[in-house]
Amino acid sequence: ETGVTQTPRHLVMGMTNKKSLKCEQHLGHNAMYWYKQSAKKPLELMFVYNFKEQTENNSVPSRFSPECPNSSHLFLHLHTLQPEDSALYLCASSQATYRSSTDTQYFGPGTRLTVL
Amino acid sequence: AQSVAQPEDQVNVAEGNPLTVKCTYSVSGNPYLFWYVQYPNRGLQFLLKYITGDNLVKGSYGFEAEFNKSQTSFHLKKPSALVSDSALYFCAVRDYVGAGGYNKLIFGAGTRLAVHP
Repeated sequence: ETGVTQTPRHLVMGMTNKKSLKCEQHLGHNAMYWYKQSAKKPLELMFVYNFKEQTENNSVPSRFSPECPNSSHLFLHLHTLQPEDSALYLCASSQATYRSSTDTQYFGPGTRLTVL
Repeated sequence: AQSVAQPEDQVNVAEGNPLTVKCTYSVSGNPYLFWYVQYPNRGLQFLLKYITGDNLVKGSYGFEAEFNKSQTSFHLKKPSALVSDSALYFCAVRDYVGAGGYNKLIFGAGTRLAVHP
């Protein structure tokens, strides 16, 4: 798991707060992803970045704002969240994300977010 | 659309017995299939994947999976279960999104494996 790190591991925030989740990959990969894992629901892909360019915003509310300053770092900025946004947020990376790519996605340990 | 199904919410196995966690898939084209494991309060750890070739894929921690095209299945197996194998297991299939030009994983709902001493 040390290939992809996430901070903080746990976060409690109020609905009016602004916070950011950080992800860093040490694998030399070019694609990074944000997933949401809620209780009783399958993992949901939120955002995809390929070579720092966002290629997917999977109908995610604007209160979630991603940022990818370089291929190794990925942020998820949070503001005015709702209690139903409480979940485990997982970051992943892969070497590439082309049609011919069969690369494995490697996941970080996640940030457990609780919105009060 | 690509999809996977894990028909069992939970599998219970005695330590030392063989275990099987089931997964079936529905894809157009060649399937690229993955198994991940999630321990409590941890992220997903990659176990193994099937891309092409030998139908029996060997992975981490003694796990293997058998790709069966006629039954559209990709079941995860281990000859002798350990208590430490108790975790949540996810099957996934790769889906290529042409409009965005990227791959994404479509996950099953997960199967909780409980290995009893």
